[in-house]
Amino acid sequence: DGGITQSPKYLFRKEGQNVTLSCEQNLNHDAMYWYRQDPGQGLRLIYYSQIVNDFQKGDIAEGYSVSREKKESFPLTVTSAQKNPTAFYLCASRQGAKADTQYFGPGTRLTVL
Amino acid sequence: SQQGEEDPQALSIQEGENATMNCSYKTSINNLQWYRQNSGRGLVHLILIRSNEREKHSGRLRVTLDTSKKSSSLLITASRAADTASYFCAVALRMEYGNKLVFGAGTILRVKS
Repeated sequence: DGGITQSPKYLFRKEGQNVTLSCEQNLNHDAMYWYRQDPGQGLRLIYYSQIVNDFQKGDIAEGYSVSREKKESFPLTVTSAQKNPTAFYLCASRQGAKADTQYFGPGTRLTVL
Repeated sequence: SQQGEEDPQALSIQEGENATMNCSYKTSINNLQWYRQNSGRGLVHLILIRSNEREKHSGRLRVTLDTSKKSSSLLITASRAADTASYFCAVALRMEYGNKLVFGAGTILRVKS
């Protein structure tokens, strides 16, 4: 099956801890994205990567970090500097620079205890 | 501020009725896309309409785009209980690194059987 997988589905974190959310795709897509979704709101862009070893900040990058060492993987670290990390996190990918459609993973729900 | 803003925020209809959702945006766009999200899941791409198109169909979906009014509408005909979900419009803005999608807050559709 081709697609995007995110793990874990649910994640609980204590205040002050860093946590890493996994995102893997086997679609051979070039671009990958991380979004945050809060209740009753749309998606907000955290980070995106167009190619391996390169990534750019989105609209709400503070308190987050990413890496893109492999084409198929784009992990997101939520650091202790993120003041309100409880949210639903969605990873997406897009085939290439001229492609328009994004394909989404199932999401990870992060709760800070 | 959000580019895509949907109206209404919530819509409840009977099975078999048509559902219309509207989206307004603020700047010039490359294209506008509609996505669907079932509760607690990732987003699924429904349909894309380019800035030089006025109407597009896909199965029971009909999308219109009025660039002069900076608005779009999504019509779902003969709705089914399985159409119950949140629907998001996303405007594609040209950036240095490909398009950026900016999402609205969504319309929650409930179809009663």
